[in-house]
Amino acid sequence: DAGVIQSPRHEVTEMGQEVTLRCKPISGHDYLFWYRQTMMRGLELLIYFNNNVPIDDSGMPEDRFSAKMPNASFSTLKIQPSEPRDSAVYFCASSLIANTEAFFGQGTRLTVV
Amino acid sequence: AQSVTQPDIHITVSEGASLELRCNYSYGATPYLFWYVQSPGQGLQLLLKYFSGDTLVQGIKGFEAEFKRSQSSFNLRKPSVHWSDAAEYFCAVGPYNFGNEKLTFGTGTRLTIIP
Repeated sequence: DAGVIQSPRHEVTEMGQEVTLRCKPISGHDYLFWYRQTMMRGLELLIYFNNNVPIDDSGMPEDRFSAKMPNASFSTLKIQPSEPRDSAVYFCASSLIANTEAFFGQGTRLTVV
Repeated sequence: AQSVTQPDIHITVSEGASLELRCNYSYGATPYLFWYVQSPGQGLQLLLKYFSGDTLVQGIKGFEAEFKRSQSSFNLRKPSVHWSDAAEYFCAVGPYNFGNEKLTFGTGTRLTIIP
């Protein structure tokens, strides 16, 4: 398996634009997590899914953020409208069973100007 | 609520020297404990994990960690560091029970290796 695949690797967008980040988890993994990493706040869990169903979205910072998982092999994190303070590295991770090893993608570095 | 503290933000070690990175956790029951490493521009990679059993766990790249329940600690060690070990290291704790599958990460320790 190629591991968790995220796209794009880098995204630069203007304030107010819609941004969509994509993630393909490892095949067979039932859990998918979206994290955000910044210097100020470290690694924060935004939302996670179990069998494509959102379980906990309490980490999503605002209504401007939304995440979907239409099937077991694809998830998106959308920011609309984007703001400069959304600039961060966004990671997707998946795991086979709850509370076991999470496999991380390489991240998407988002810059909102 | 579970939490993780990594008291050292930045550590500098000479190549070949031993290393210990500290991690303290707060959790009301037996936790799952993890150490991850992040190289620049990369995602996090699991070094080792503790679920139960032997409190000294071995991981990849020559790392080991010891779970000490009495001290609520899970410190990472390596007897002799290599320049390639320079990275950011994260300790994480997960609950033992299902229904709350969130891993909580510490703020990380940046490791610098000097020749």
